[in-house]
Amino acid sequence: DTAVSQTPKYLVTQMGNDKSIKCEQNLGHDTMYWYKQDSKKFLKIMFSYNNKELIINETVPNRFSPKSPDKAHLNLHINSLELGDSAVYFCASSQAGLGNTIYFGEGSWLTVV
Amino acid sequence: GENVEQHPSTLSVQEGDSAVIKCTYSDSASNYFPWYKQELGKRPQLIIDIRSNVGEKKDQRIAVTLNKTAKHFSLHITETQPEDSAVYFCAASNRQDDKIIFGKGTRLHILP
Repeated sequence: DTAVSQTPKYLVTQMGNDKSIKCEQNLGHDTMYWYKQDSKKFLKIMFSYNNKELIINETVPNRFSPKSPDKAHLNLHINSLELGDSAVYFCASSQAGLGNTIYFGEGSWLTVV
Repeated sequence: GENVEQHPSTLSVQEGDSAVIKCTYSDSASNYFPWYKQELGKRPQLIIDIRSNVGEKKDQRIAVTLNKTAKHFSLHITETQPEDSAVYFCAASNRQDDKIIFGKGTRLHILP
């Protein structure tokens, strides 16, 4: 039983393409996130949703569009992919409120060629 | 907004010795400080956390200390073992927006 699952795990695509990464959590959490981890291993928050509502939107290009159809799902769609988008994208979830553990998915390795 | 600085970026210690990783934060409203461990090719996982009403917390070989006045917190790993080799991230969060900001990570190598 995977708590936070994301697909695909690996994705290789050409510049200019549009791709999506899907995420689902079965923990009953209210809050879901997308984090980007670059080649230097820096973990940067991109978006956060609480009960399907966007609450954090960092300075991410508008080519990135999150969608939360319900509180258990948070998908990430990326338009017009660029080389710099190559990274590992982690979906995560936590129960709303301070001090609640963030649970990460296994990550999606995106390579743009 | 919050800014979390983490040092060192790389740390090598002999097996059996202790390792210390230090972090500072900028937002005095931050009051939750988790530490995550990320093994090669895997997801970050919580190993220990501390809240601002506590100065120190210990769990077997790992401990975390917090100095709110100085706005810094540290991770201590004693009697290091090969399986401790990983990237460790500190993070800080405040009550207002639940946004957890991560440090840039420390790559810990345990030498045989």
